[in-house]
Amino acid sequence: KQEVTQIPAALSVPEGENLVLNCSFTDSAIYNLQWFRQDPGKGLTSLLLIQSSQREQTSGRLNASLDKSSGRSTLYIAASQPGDSATYLCALPLSNTGKLIFGQGTTLQVKP
Amino acid sequence: DAGVIQSPRHEVTEMGQEVTLRCKPISGHDYLFWYRQTMMRGLELLIYFNNNVPIDDSGMPEDRFSAKMPNASFSTLKIQPSEPRDSAVYFCASSPGQTSTDTQYFGPGTRLTVL
Repeated sequence: KQEVTQIPAALSVPEGENLVLNCSFTDSAIYNLQWFRQDPGKGLTSLLLIQSSQREQTSGRLNASLDKSSGRSTLYIAASQPGDSATYLCALPLSNTGKLIFGQGTTLQVKP
Repeated sequence: DAGVIQSPRHEVTEMGQEVTLRCKPISGHDYLFWYRQTMMRGLELLIYFNNNVPIDDSGMPEDRFSAKMPNASFSTLKIQPSEPRDSAVYFCASSPGQTSTDTQYFGPGTRLTVL
């Protein structure tokens, strides 16, 4: 059974810091891994999707890496800004179905 | 495209009442998903459809919950009768496919409070 864990549950950093969010999963036979952002009272927005054959994906100040053998993914945010404050969730599909298994999320606060 | 549309955005009802949540997926998307989000359990998939046909409803918590997709542009999630423990945010999402590059696009959610 695939289990997804995100640590820490909450993180507070000063503006400008580079930071790393962690996601671990128990079953390395994954199809892809996705990182989502959720703002308070809003839905989820997809940030990055890494296919199982890829090692990383980049979008602007965001870089997501994937290490299937160790069951880990990281989301690196460079030069953090107050606008980055949100909850970040990682998710994996169950086999190649549409069923996404979500981590509990990391709530990030970037202080001006 | 306007994205995934959900209504109502907020619903407050009393225990025992019927609740109907509505979703309009992104045009052209073949997959539609209903999720529930609570503090205790996080995001859970309730049911998903492919081309209007329910594929997996194993996440539906009880027989009080039912979902339909009468056509490609509309889906409902119904709770009858509602209970206080059903209070949560319910999200609808749609996806063009299930390839390794397809992501899901989420609606803004319906915040349900059952008193």
